[in-house]
Amino acid sequence: EPEVTQTPSHQVTQMGQEVILRCVPISNHLYFYWYRQILGQKVEFLVSFYNNEISEKSEIFDDQFSVERPDGSNFTLKIRSTKLEDSAMYFCARTTGTLETGELFFGEGSRLTVL
Amino acid sequence: GQNIDQPTEMTATEGAIVQINCTYQTSGFNGLFWYQQHAGEAPTFLSYNVLDGLEEKGRFSSFLSRSKGYSYLLLKELQMKDSASYLCAVKDSNYQLIWGAGTKLIIKP
Repeated sequence: EPEVTQTPSHQVTQMGQEVILRCVPISNHLYFYWYRQILGQKVEFLVSFYNNEISEKSEIFDDQFSVERPDGSNFTLKIRSTKLEDSAMYFCARTTGTLETGELFFGEGSRLTVL
Repeated sequence: GQNIDQPTEMTATEGAIVQINCTYQTSGFNGLFWYQQHAGEAPTFLSYNVLDGLEEKGRFSSFLSRSKGYSYLLLKELQMKDSASYLCAVKDSNYQLIWGAGTKLIIKP
């Protein structure tokens, strides 16, 4: 059983549209991460989120991306105006502690296809 | 720059042993991970090395040499279900994970 549940499993959208990807932890964790993986390429770090605030973000995580924990449980990644190159698998991940102390456990991923 | 090198693809026979190598050059080192990723699925954690030496976990073992910037993942008694990509990832001085491109392992009967 996955440590985190992600929805949707697959989303197809038109370029320029907004997309919201959701991550629901099975149990109460403080540290969450979003990663993406373009088909056939490396896993890439997007952002880490601790205690309802962004703690680290990569160069990829520009102004078109945002993360929120709107209800204290669900954890969302929003892409405001999607581009073709945003097509990828997006993984939510958690650790038992911080990345300093623990390994990453990934959700099953959300496949985003931008047309 | 930071770099992790792994072979792109390897082929092995069911029941055999295979060793997947990983070399890294990173700004600092705070541990090395191996993950397994089946096609279209999420990576799943296999092993973690932070000290030199061999860590054994069932059919899978992982070795680390920090002085050489080198690790390998050893898979014994290969099964068809071991066909997957194997990702090497290193925690750098900022505790960020730097990922390799992965090694696609093909198991033949």
